[in-house]
Amino acid sequence: TQLLEQSPQFLSIQEGENLTVYCNSSSVFSSLQWYRQEPGEGPVLLVTVVTGGEVKKLKRLTFQFGDARKDSSLHITAAQTGDTGLYLCAGAAVTSGSRLTFGEGTQLTVNP
Amino acid sequence: KAGVTQTPRYLIKTRGQQVTLSCSPISGHRSVSWYQQTPGQGLQFLFEYFSETQRNKGNFPGRFSGRQFSNSRSEMNVSTLELGDSALYLCASSKRGHGYTFGSGTRLTVV
Repeated sequence: TQLLEQSPQFLSIQEGENLTVYCNSSSVFSSLQWYRQEPGEGPVLLVTVVTGGEVKKLKRLTFQFGDARKDSSLHITAAQTGDTGLYLCAGAAVTSGSRLTFGEGTQLTVNP
Repeated sequence: KAGVTQTPRYLIKTRGQQVTLSCSPISGHRSVSWYQQTPGQGLQFLFEYFSETQRNKGNFPGRFSGRQFSNSRSEMNVSTLELGDSALYLCASSKRGHGYTFGSGTRLTVV
């Protein structure tokens, strides 16, 4: 069974601060995705990374895929209150098709 | 374009009953996956359908079943409901090589 461990589980920061969320596994993934979920809604895809060492930027969000494709990080610069939500990483194993293994999520609260 | 539509949004059922949830994927998406989300377990994979065939199945008991129709719409069924089945059930559609687009989910409460 492939597991994805996310840390921290909870994060409460002030607007303007930077933060990093980590996603780690002992398994290799063919790709890794990051989602953001708001209460009462389904997760929304933020980014997909597929190449070891890949870095993708989405405005103030920077996503990195580890060289060995076992881990990933999400860095948010100058957090805003609108960034509040549950951030989920999800990995696709080479042999599992489009089935994703999700981490348990990081609940981010950005205070004004 | 229309997103993934799940119905109903909320459902309250009694233990022992059965329930059917519906999912209409994005037009052109042939893969539909179902996940169960609970506070303690996070998102757990239930099953995936592609072209009316179950392509992948998670570790859930046989009480959980699903199907997909020729128009790619999918249903999942849970029989003999238990209190522990209370969860947000999420459906996601995808095209090959792309990430999931999730619906807003069906919140099932078993009392």
